Amino acid sequence: KAGVTQTPRYLIKTRGQQVTLSCSPISGHRSVSWYQQTPGQGLQFLFEYFSETQRNKGNFPGRFSGRQFSNSRSEMNVSTLELGDSALYLCASSLRPNYGYTFGSGTRLTVV
Amino acid sequence: ILNVEQSPQSLHVQEGDSTNFTCSFPSSNFYALHWYRWETAKSPEALFVMTLNGDEKKKGRISATLNTKEGYSYLYIKGSQPEDSATYLCATGQDSNYQLIWGAGTKLIIKP
Repeated sequence: KAGVTQTPRYLIKTRGQQVTLSCSPISGHRSVSWYQQTPGQGLQFLFEYFSETQRNKGNFPGRFSGRQFSNSRSEMNVSTLELGDSALYLCASSLRPNYGYTFGSGTRLTVV
Repeated sequence: ILNVEQSPQSLHVQEGDSTNFTCSFPSSNFYALHWYRWETAKSPEALFVMTLNGDEKKKGRISATLNTKEGYSYLYIKGSQPEDSATYLCATGQDSNYQLIWGAGTKLIIKP
């Protein structure tokens, strides 16, 4: 079966712009989580959605937002980009929260 | 605030040797403990999800144990091979909160 698909794979944006990243989970998976990984840092939790509802949100500013659609696809948006937002953004899906997660390949965002 | 500690931070092991490392977590309100392997340039891959005290899981040469009363899990690799080189992450979730809290990982390097 198809894995977790994240688009785009790479993205270069300018400070102040906004960006939308997309995640298509494995078919049947209703839980989608987003993570940020920066050099030297572990996985930093952004938010988790389950059945279109945000279940949890990590300690990130309000510039980071997300949503989940009825088909479980999820998007995350970062507004007013800062240089420090340059990172690998990973999406993971699961049948339900706290179950084994399958990760996508990530979107590498570079803010210049 | 939940804090998940992994030790050691990095480990160099000779090919063929066995090794183990630790994940420590708060034992209160424990729900599940996850282990993931993250190879360079790939996505994190789920190894085990454990929920019961005393649980032992095995996948090939890799096994894990869980002690929820004292708040730790061990990951063992028997007869290390170069392909075992990766960062091993653990994460824990509480039953009242679906958010997984991640450790910073143990970076394992297998020397041929």
